[in-house]
Amino acid sequence: EPEVTQTPSHQVTQMGQEVILRCVPISNHLYFYWYRQILGQKVEFLVSFYNNEISEKSEIFDDQFSVERPDGSNFTLKIRSTKLEDSAMYFCASRITGRGTEAFFGQGTRLTVV
Amino acid sequence: DQQVKQNSPSLSVQEGRISILNCDYTNSMFDYFLWYKKYPAEGPTFLISISSIKDKNEDGRFTVFLNKSAKHLSLHIVPSQPGDSAVYFCAAELRGATNKLIFGTGTLLAVQP
Repeated sequence: EPEVTQTPSHQVTQMGQEVILRCVPISNHLYFYWYRQILGQKVEFLVSFYNNEISEKSEIFDDQFSVERPDGSNFTLKIRSTKLEDSAMYFCASRITGRGTEAFFGQGTRLTVV
Repeated sequence: DQQVKQNSPSLSVQEGRISILNCDYTNSMFDYFLWYKKYPAEGPTFLISISSIKDKNEDGRFTVFLNKSAKHLSLHIVPSQPGDSAVYFCAAELRGATNKLIFGTGTLLAVQP
């Protein structure tokens, strides 16, 4: 069964450092997402990406965040200067269409900022 | 922002019995609802969905009911199995140009053998 894969599974970084979280969405999907879950809180939307551009972003997704699809398969989330409050599980998701279909999630990257 | 609410943080059920997980929403512009299951250290796994034009959708042991007038949906699992023990999230999608999912806070289901 096709799946969304994320690397690394766990990333520890110093405050102020840049991190790149990587995702390989399901190959025939057209819509890509990043969500995050801070420990004990709900899963929250960060950004959606379609046709090589951001289609929607949340208030969380400020100038420190960026997304990219550098080739035909990878989808990355970059945090330029990490803060302690960026510590969370980051989930990549993809959907075959933008609406009315299920989103398939990766297993997540646990980001710990120290 | 509590547009999607799961008021029960946890639920314990005996194996073989029915599990009923509830979700309330406040925005009448939601037109698609999904349930996800999540194990620790894993990503959410899709279970079942329902469009706002329906009031019931069934898939094997899982049935989702939608009551639009009450802005309430529920997930029924029959019969419950120990492997169903996980956190269950409901999620909703707004009508219109947006395609993000808005998640509830989750309910931890424990199925006792």
